[in-house]
Amino acid sequence: DTAVSQTPKYLVTQMGNDKSIKCEQNLGHDTMYWYKQDSKKFLKIMFSYNNKELIINETVPNRFSPKSPDKAHLNLHINSLELGDSAVYFCASSQGAGEAGNEQFFGPGTRLTVL
Amino acid sequence: GQNIDQPTEMTATEGAIVQINCTYQTSGFNGLFWYQQHAGEAPTFLSYNVLDGLEEKGRFSSFLSRSKGYSYLLLKELQMKDSASYLCAAISGAGSYQLTFGKGTKLSVIP
Repeated sequence: DTAVSQTPKYLVTQMGNDKSIKCEQNLGHDTMYWYKQDSKKFLKIMFSYNNKELIINETVPNRFSPKSPDKAHLNLHINSLELGDSAVYFCASSQGAGEAGNEQFFGPGTRLTVL
Repeated sequence: GQNIDQPTEMTATEGAIVQINCTYQTSGFNGLFWYQQHAGEAPTFLSYNVLDGLEEKGRFSSFLSRSKGYSYLLLKELQMKDSASYLCAAISGAGSYQLTFGKGTKLSVIP
């Protein structure tokens, strides 16, 4: 059974479009995350939700809006896509806070290409 | 601010031992993770250190020195499948959910 799943796996779209990426975890975890990994493979946190509440919101453009309908799902909606948004987006989840050594489980990633 | 440094690339021979270093400068440091990421795949958890010392787990060990802001990942008996990127990540702040990742070290294992 897949622990953290994301759809779609690949997304190719035109500049200016709006797109969504979905994430679901079946691990019963309280916390979910969105990361962006750029072409240089640098993995950077974007958002984190704990029990459906936003707890981390890094400096990302407000064109990116996360939505957590329940604690097993964290979706990412992106408006007015730009070329610089091309990257791999990873969803992750963990049971509680990282300081307790709770590892994060990552989804397979969504490779977004903006043309 | 937070700063995590690790070498960009390393090459080692199958069967050998390799040590990947990571230095960090974070406020309110509260633990350090190592993740492995094969090309085109998701990162997977390798280890977590919060106290000084060495944590051993099979062929992989991770070391932490909080006073020096330093960690390393030691891989023994290297196998070809160990070719991957190794990401160092620090947790800072009480109750923190936020991992700050280094840029990763791409390890190539050669025959």
